[in-house]
Order: sequence, then structure tokens, then C-alpha cells
Amino acid sequence: DAKTTQPPSMDCAEGRAANLPCNHSTISGNEYVYWYRQIHSQGPQYIIHGLKNNETNEMASLIITEDRKSSTLILPHATLRDTAVYYCIVRIHGAGSYQLTFGKGTKLSVIP
Amino acid sequence: DSGVTQTPKHLITATGQRVTLRCSPRSGDLSVYWYQQSLDQGLQFLIHYYNGEERAKGNILERFSAQQFPDLHSELNLSSLELGDSALYFCASSVGVGGDLSNTEAFFGQGTRLTVV
Repeated sequence: DAKTTQPPSMDCAEGRAANLPCNHSTISGNEYVYWYRQIHSQGPQYIIHGLKNNETNEMASLIITEDRKSSTLILPHATLRDTAVYYCIVRIHGAGSYQLTFGKGTKLSVIP
Repeated sequence: DSGVTQTPKHLITATGQRVTLRCSPRSGDLSVYWYQQSLDQGLQFLIHYYNGEERAKGNILERFSAQQFPDLHSELNLSSLELGDSALYFCASSVGVGGDLSNTEAFFGQGTRLTVV
């Protein structure tokens, strides 16, 4: 799986959009970008994933650049409950195993 | 609530002992994954079972073993425990290993916190 690079930490004011960047410059054509988050030692939680088109769900939006070398997770109106470590993961779909390779992630602190 | 149940939530044991962690996947999920999270190593994949068969191994020590039973629950056995095995152990489940986008999302349990003293 391609390696990802994320800033170690970010702050965001409550109610504002949180934009979390991820660099995956070595991503290959059949690799998807996934985002998970982990709130204070709870089990990681799936947020969103995409291949090349932008994706949106009830939790967040995922913007993937045209060359697919980077992406941004957007939490449109951050709340204190969004304080967590956010992991950007790149993985292949297809037959086999879908284990996740977690990096260090970005610790997002939402500030009142 | 992810629907994945892990027991026990906390476990304290002595070095050299053996413990068993249990995971019940979400209803209908055939894949079970085990992860270890320690302070210095972060979240690391240990092993994946699909419908009772081992599918992939990650950084799992030889002292550790796992299995998935016919009712799809899984157990992770840790033996000859060392202080460094103290960690959070997470189980995750997903529907399957096919290429369908709809079944490649993993749901994690709340983990078992193992403390070896």
C-alpha cells in the first residue's frame, strides 16, 4: 500500500470547517483513499473513502486532486466531539485481505 | 455502537501467563481483523480471518494465535506474556473480501485493554 503523509496536529475553531490534508504521492491507479478517525482510545471509526472523484457523506467530504497525489478531508462544521486522531489510509481493492495500514495520523483539536 | 463486541474490556495479568480475547463481529460480517495498539508502535495489523480461514498475517508474534469459529466469532490467544504486550487490542469486522466497494468498510470494536504486570 502507498505511504501517506499527514501533519501531526491541527487546531480548528468550533463551528468552522476542518480541512485535513493527506499526501499520497506514490498512490497507484487501483488504490483507494480511506479516512478513519479514533476518538480517545476508542475503536477507529470509518469516515469516508474514494478513488478519484470527490465524495460526500453525512460525516464529511473527501476531495482528491486530479493527479490523485493528495487529498483533503473536510468536516464542514467541526464540533468538540470531532476532536480525534484522523488517519488517511491508501489501500487496494480486489480479492485478498483488506487490512488497514495506519500511520501516525493527524491529531485534530477542536477549540471552543 | 459499531456492532462489534469485544470481551473483556480490561484484563490485567502477570508476565508468562496466557490470555484469550474474544470478538463477536457484526451480524453478517464474514471477515474479522485483529489489531494491536501500543504507545510506541501505534495501530498495527495482526491477522485477518475470513469465514473461518486465515487470510493474511501482519506483525503477529509467534506467541500469539487466533482462530475464527463456525459461528464467526474470533479469539486471539496471547501466551508467554511479556510487559511489552501491554496494549489495546482491537477487533474489526467487514462483510467480505470481494472487490465490491460496499463491503470494504471495517467496523471496529471498543477494544480490550491488556495490562501485563
